[in-house]
Amino acid sequence: EVLLVESGGGLVQPGGSLRLSCVASGFDFSNHWMTWVRQVPGKGLEWVANIKQDGSEKWYVDSVKGRFIISRDNAKNSLYLQMNSLRVEDTAVYSCVREMYYYDSVGYYADHWGQGTLVTVSS
Amino acid sequence: EIVLTQSPATLSLSPGERATLSCRASQNVGRYLAWYQKKPGQAPRLLVYGASNRATGVPARFSGSGSGTDFTLTISSLEPEDFAVYYCHQRYSWPLPFGPGTKVDVK
Repeated sequence: EVLLVESGGGLVQPGGSLRLSCVASGFDFSNHWMTWVRQVPGKGLEWVANIKQDGSEKWYVDSVKGRFIISRDNAKNSLYLQMNSLRVEDTAVYSCVREMYYYDSVGYYADHWGQGTLVTVSS
Repeated sequence: EIVLTQSPATLSLSPGERATLSCRASQNVGRYLAWYQKKPGQAPRLLVYGASNRATGVPARFSGSGSGTDFTLTISSLEPEDFAVYYCHQRYSWPLPFGPGTKVDVK
């Protein structure tokens, strides 16, 4: 069974930092692109960042570029999100997501999601 | 940057009825579109990828269609567990936005 378990969320003041972690199990972590997606409570979903299997390629949404860093440790089956210079608008539930390559569609899609960890940025 | 719009925002239907959800992209995304189901307190569930391919374990009552800029998710006969929010998501070009969602609730 694919399992993604996030941790590291909490309450932080504007300008502060947090590091989110995600531990994966039930699949070959090193063979998958991995992603962080966030959802403001009661609002929609936002793709935040993703990282290639070997960490050589990373993509960020403009609103977090220069502030957030995605990384991974394949030996520990773990995905991370270092969040710096946090803003009130970063308040959301952050979910770790596995990407799967579908040959019949010739593309990657997010097929398994963790339950998420809540990050609250407030003074 | 591609923007996705979904309509209607809310769809009020009864169990057994047919639900038709629309997703429109501001630019051509080919068939690189997925649909997700989201229930409160649960992780999103992949329903459809590549515009029309059902994900593993998804019941046949869910079907996706479309290409280019116009896409549809159809639920042929609503079951009680289908009342949820549905999001479309384009995988054609970064920054990979989701649509704002369509809430399917009980009439």
